[in-house]
Amino acid sequence: DQQVKQNSPSLSVQEGRISILNCDYTNSMFDYFLWYKKYPAEGPTFLISISSIKDKNEDGRFTVFLNKSAKHLSLHIVPSQPGDSAVYFCAASEGNQFYFGTGTSLTVIP
Amino acid sequence: EAQVTQNPRYLITVTGKKLTVTCSQNMNHEYMSWYRQDPGLGLRQIYYSMNVEVTDKGDVPEGYKVSRKEKRNFPLILESPSPNQTSLYFCASSLRTGYSYEQYFGPGTRLTVT
Repeated sequence: DQQVKQNSPSLSVQEGRISILNCDYTNSMFDYFLWYKKYPAEGPTFLISISSIKDKNEDGRFTVFLNKSAKHLSLHIVPSQPGDSAVYFCAASEGNQFYFGTGTSLTVIP
Repeated sequence: EAQVTQNPRYLITVTGKKLTVTCSQNMNHEYMSWYRQDPGLGLRQIYYSMNVEVTDKGDVPEGYKVSRKEKRNFPLILESPSPNQTSLYFCASSLRTGYSYEQYFGPGTRLTVT
């Protein structure tokens, strides 16, 4: 049973606008949440993370929001750029184990 | 250059023929892990290792073995591969920071079992 879910398989956004990628989880014991970006034929690369005791973490154009009561995580990319077009995976950890979502394919249209 | 390497990158084999996929990292990371990626299922953790001689099961360990005899290497062993192990496999490593497990991934190994 999938403990981390990304319900939108794909998302298209105009260049310069905001991209919002969503993630839901079921396990209240998760202690960290992470976002990874993946280009075709490459391994995922780390983008940003957030501890379960925080509700927001920002790094440049990327901001992750955590709503623990709703068990919901989102990644905001502002402004979106064509180079951001990739598959984005949400992940969560419980101790040393990691659980990934199914990914959302983001296309940024120039 | 800091990296995680996997070999081979592509492998086609037959049911029951033992195989090993190697993984090596040059960052002196303590934590290493194997994942498989399947359509509609995302990445699922197979095994992980906190340090030399310390390994543990992830979410989908059945049919796989691992070993960690040296810090830099973490091979994945399929003793008797079956078609349902056809998948894209990723090895990853990270430094245990105590804050988050920012993992560095290898380029992937595409395995086909016929």
